[in-house]
Order: sequence, then structure tokens, then C-alpha cells
Amino acid sequence: QKEVEQNSGPLSVPEGAIASLNCTYSDRGSQSFFWYRQYSGKSPELIMFIYSNGDKEDGRFTAQLNKASQYVSLLIRDSQPSDSATYLCAVIRYGQGNLIFGKGTKLSVKP
Amino acid sequence: GAGVSQSPSNKVTEKGKDVELRCDPISGHTALYWYRQSLGQGLEFLIYFQGNSAPDKSGLPSDRFSAERTGGSVSTLTIQRTQQEDSAVYLCASSPWTGESSPLHFGNGTRLTVT
Repeated sequence: QKEVEQNSGPLSVPEGAIASLNCTYSDRGSQSFFWYRQYSGKSPELIMFIYSNGDKEDGRFTAQLNKASQYVSLLIRDSQPSDSATYLCAVIRYGQGNLIFGKGTKLSVKP
Repeated sequence: GAGVSQSPSNKVTEKGKDVELRCDPISGHTALYWYRQSLGQGLEFLIYFQGNSAPDKSGLPSDRFSAERTGGSVSTLTIQRTQQEDSAVYLCASSPWTGESSPLHFGNGTRLTVT
């Protein structure tokens, strides 16, 4: 079982809709969770992080964490074509310093 | 301010040759990471430096790969006797701290092609 799993997509949503991106992780010792966005040919850039159960909102983005289910998600409200990118989920395990990344979900927002 | 700088941006080398990739982290960042990303794949962790601690080399795929960080700043990733499967984008990232909320700031990467 991979440590961090994401549906590779592509996930296609119409402009203005809510995009829901999901991620599961295998190590219960994981303590911090990150969402990165990567445009084609570019480097990943941090969107948000979360380490407590529940929701965390930042503008149009909401991260949701459920440690019991080992599940973290990212919701993008009012999706825009400029949100079209690959979204990478990453975790830090307790006592570790490096991020373990999933393979990413490709999101396409259609005008 | 300046971000993470990597050089070269592109490198084409022949199979069997050695290559060196360089990373200049953001000034003051104590943690430095190397990842690689093959086409259509996620980021594969290679090695991580934090301050003066021994580096975490657990992600290095073989003994042909090594990295050092001089003076707690610049880092060099060396790949000896390159193979075609080493072709990938090598990404360096730095972070101001480690722990539960350690944002990584990535450089633009070095695209390595082994022919």
C-alpha cells in the first residue's frame, strides 16, 4: 500500500463549481498534511496545510482532515480555469522531517 | 526576496557520465530537501538536511547518488555513472523550520536527460 494515495484523475469540473480532491494515507503516525498545486512544467507551490481534525478555510480553499479515517481532502469553491493544475497531497510523519507526496490529481476546470 | 535557485536548469548527459546539480536555498532556511519527479509521476523524496544534523539519506535510490551541503547553505546532488532511468526533474526545496507546519519552497528544478 502506498503511503499517500490520490486519484490521478483527470477530474473535470465546470467553471464555478466545487472541485473536491481526495487523499488517503497509510501511516497513522502522520501528523501534518499539505496541499500543493503544480502547473504543467512548473514547481509545486503550497496552497495550505492542516494538522488538526476538521476544516480549515483559506479563501476559496478548504482543507478537511479526518485522522480516524486517514483521509484529507481539498475543496475548491467557485472553480476557475486558472485552477487547472495537478494537486499534490503530502504528509509528514511524526518524528520525520521530510514530506511524502502522493502522485497528484490533475484538475481541469472547463469554462 | 530571492527564492530557491537551482542550476543548471537543463542538463543532457551521456550514460555513464557523472553529473552535479546545485541548489541555493533561501537565505536563513535551515532545512533543505532534494526530490525528483519523473514524467507524470509524483515527487520522490531523495535526501533531507536539517541544520547540523546528519542528513536523512533514506530516499537515495542507489549508492550512485550522494549529496552534500556546505556551510549549512548550498547543496550539491551528485549522480555517478548516470543511467537512463535517472532522467527526471530534480527539485530542491528549502524550509525555515521542520515540524508540523513546515512549508517547502521549491526551486524551478533541473531537468536531467541521460542519453
